[in-house]
Amino acid sequence: DIQMTQSPSSLSASVGDRVTITCRASQSITGYLNWYQQKPGRAPKLLIYGGNSLQGGVPSRFGGAGSGTTFSLTISGLQLEDFATYYCQQSYSAPYTFGQGTTLEIK
Amino acid sequence: QVQLQESGPGLVKPSGTLSLTCDVSGGSISTSNWWTWVRQAPGKGPEWIGEIYHSGSTHHNPSLKSRVTMSVDRSKNQFSLNLTSVTAADTAVYYCARVAVGSGGDYDYWGQGTLVTVSS
Repeated sequence: DIQMTQSPSSLSASVGDRVTITCRASQSITGYLNWYQQKPGRAPKLLIYGGNSLQGGVPSRFGGAGSGTTFSLTISGLQLEDFATYYCQQSYSAPYTFGQGTTLEIK
Repeated sequence: QVQLQESGPGLVKPSGTLSLTCDVSGGSISTSNWWTWVRQAPGKGPEWIGEIYHSGSTHHNPSLKSRVTMSVDRSKNQFSLNLTSVTAADTAVYYCARVAVGSGGDYDYWGQGTLVTVSS
């Protein structure tokens, strides 16, 4: 199975800040990397697919980058509604695996 | 707008069978999409269970060995999950989702999730 490792596990930031979350795969997944946002008691919501493509309806302050084994999610100009948990997921090879999550908290 | 809704018992006894159904509305299940099940244990990241196509083809997570069975009912526009020989480790929120077409396997629509507790 491909292991997905996110860092950091948690992050404190303020409204307006720029933050970056990193996701590393245990082997190359080319560009098959997706990012989800999850709020308590809610289903994950797709933000980024294919490493860097913004899902429709997602604000442009979210951006994804990377290929191979190292990827990042950047949020530029944090808004209150962005404080949540973020997961990366590889869709390169079954079983499709998720990272352990990064919780973004208000400083 | 596609919508998915999980349904099934919220409590299952150990060694019993967990059975869930996902109703799809706002679109046909018989499209080019695969349909998937994902679960999330309390405080953990999501775990992929498996996926099914409207033809009945399936793939599942080998970690669940032969305990998983998935089926599709095109006439009812729904798909289902059975997980046998459950233990407390199977306690989780179970989600159904749609696998997007042409974008690399991401999940673009999700159900709200249903909590299944395994306990006697």
